[in-house]
Amino acid sequence: DQQVKQNSPSLSVQEGRISILNCDYTNSMFDYFLWYKKYPAEGPTFLISISSIKDKNEDGRFTVFLNKSAKHLSLHIVPSQPGDSAVYFCAASGSGNTGKLIFGQGTTLQVKP
Amino acid sequence: DAGITQSPRHKVTETGTPVTLRCHQTENHRYMYWYRQDPGHGLRLIHYSYGVKDTDKGEVSDGYSVSRSKTEDFLLTLESATSSQTSVYFCAISEGNGWPHGYTFGSGTRLTVV
Repeated sequence: DQQVKQNSPSLSVQEGRISILNCDYTNSMFDYFLWYKKYPAEGPTFLISISSIKDKNEDGRFTVFLNKSAKHLSLHIVPSQPGDSAVYFCAASGSGNTGKLIFGQGTTLQVKP
Repeated sequence: DAGITQSPRHKVTETGTPVTLRCHQTENHRYMYWYRQDPGHGLRLIHYSYGVKDTDKGEVSDGYSVSRSKTEDFLLTLESATSSQTSVYFCAISEGNGWPHGYTFGSGTRLTVV
């Protein structure tokens, strides 16, 4: 059973506009959530995270929103740039020493010049 | 760079042969993980380690074994490779439970089983 779901396999936006990537989860015990970005032939790289006690975290052009009642988080990229074109994974983790991040299926973002 | 390397980067092997992938870190992190990436499935945890000789299974561990005899090395072995194990394999490391910066990933090993 997929505990973390990204239901949109792909998203295309125009340069300068907002990109909104969505993620849903089923386990209310998750302590924190993260977003990773992945370019072809490279490993995923950490982008931004949010604790379950927060509802928003911002880092430059990237903002993550958490709606615990809906078990939903989203990543906003404003303004979008062509270099943002990549696969984005959301991930979640519960308490415990091992972390054991659980990942969604990924969303491929294409930002058109 | 993060100090995590995977070898080999690419491998083609035949069905039924054993295969070992290596992950090496220079960060002295306690935790190490093996994930596989497949279209439509994202990243799925195979096995992880929380210390030397301390390992445990992830969600897709069947057909895989691991060993960690030193802090810096985490080996993933496919005992008898099958076509369903064709995938991209990523190793990751973390110092603690992954908060707030998650894991650091290697560049991946693309494995093709023919």
